Amino acid sequence: GQSLEQPSEVTAVEGAIVQINCTYQTSGFYGLSWYQQHDGGAPTFLSYNALDGLEETGRFSSFLSRSDSYGYLLLQELQMKDSASYFCAVRDNAGNMLTFGGGTRLMVKP
Amino acid sequence: KAGVTQTPRYLIKTRGQQVTLSCSPISGHRSVSWYQQTPGQGLQFLFEYFSETQRNKGNFPGRFSGRQFSNSRSEMNVSTLELGDSALYLCASSISGGTGHEQFFGPGTRLTVL
Repeated sequence: GQSLEQPSEVTAVEGAIVQINCTYQTSGFYGLSWYQQHDGGAPTFLSYNALDGLEETGRFSSFLSRSDSYGYLLLQELQMKDSASYFCAVRDNAGNMLTFGGGTRLMVKP
Repeated sequence: KAGVTQTPRYLIKTRGQQVTLSCSPISGHRSVSWYQQTPGQGLQFLFEYFSETQRNKGNFPGRFSGRQFSNSRSEMNVSTLELGDSALYLCASSISGGTGHEQFFGPGTRLTVL
């Protein structure tokens, strides 16, 4: 079966950098995605890695190592509005089925 | 461009009843996926429809079913509701079948089973 592990909670201060790790075990692999979800809101797409390396989108970056079945989301210059839950998700086939990790609750403090 | 819409937003049912939830994807999106989100189990995949065909199915009992119409709108049905079915049901649409990786989520339907 598929499984993804990520820390349940992370706390950081405004302006800092935080890294949220994700390790996965899947039968197939078509890419690792990251989603952000604020309390009461819907998940919104942040980034996607299909190949090894770093993808940068503004303050957010995502990294993937397929040989290690590992990825991370890096958030820089943290802002209070970044307080949310972050989910890694794996596509393990050519369709759009996503298997999600349990989510990491990020709390940004002043 | 309008986002993914889901109706109803909130629903209260009693055990044994059935429920139908509706999802309208973003215009032009042909893939619709459904997820169940609960505090205990997190986000779990229910099924995915593409061009009116179910392409993937998660590990849920047969009480959970769905369908997609020719205009890509999708419905999911849960029969014989159980207390454990109380959850946020999210629908997500994607622009293409196999190569699109970004899924756009709707606001969800909050189902409470009493």
